[in-house]
Amino acid sequence: AQKVTQAQTEISVVEKEDVTLDCVYETRDTTYYLFWYKQPPSGELVFLIRRNSFDEQNEISGRYSWNFQKSTSSFNFTITASQVVDSAVYFCALSAHNTGTASKLTFGTGTRLQVTL
Amino acid sequence: GAGVSQSPSNKVTEKGKDVELRCDPISGHTALYWYRQSLGQGLEFLIYFQGNSAPDKSGLPSDRFSAERTGGSVSTLTIQRTQQEDSAVYLCASSPPLAGIKTQYFGPGTRLLVL
Repeated sequence: AQKVTQAQTEISVVEKEDVTLDCVYETRDTTYYLFWYKQPPSGELVFLIRRNSFDEQNEISGRYSWNFQKSTSSFNFTITASQVVDSAVYFCALSAHNTGTASKLTFGTGTRLQVTL
Repeated sequence: GAGVSQSPSNKVTEKGKDVELRCDPISGHTALYWYRQSLGQGLEFLIYFQGNSAPDKSGLPSDRFSAERTGGSVSTLTIQRTQQEDSAVYLCASSPPLAGIKTQYFGPGTRLLVL
């Protein structure tokens, strides 16, 4: 069975602070995908990043960075110099890597990030 | 190009009525997924289609829930004899052909309220 844990229910920061959202996962699959999605107040889930389990290289995209550590089963997400527009619920998700078939996403419970001025 | 679209965006119904929710995936995407987001249960997988067949329908909560997909495109999720616990946001996602990237792209959802 797959499981994703986002222990932080809600985080509040002041604009320009850095913030890290934690994600810990459990899976018996040897290869898998990890994802982060953003859900702003409008409600639509917006894809941010996908990481393959066989690629542990960390990634940076503008103010966003992701730290994948297979040894601790974690895939943490850092926003540098946060902005009010970053306020949203962020979901970490996991799917199996099945060749020949698609795979469902298993989501964490989400972390609500509130960025204030 | 256009993203995943869903209709209606909101639906209010009375307990016991049937409802149909529609999803139009991104053009060219062969896989289509339905999820449900509710306060108590978070984001739950319901069913996924590859083409017109549904290899995994393990998340459908009861036999009141069914889904179909025709022409490898539009999908309809039907809930019969709705109950109050069916109130949730129903999200649809699609992903490109298997040989490509398996990222799922989501629609705006249908907010269902059962009175």
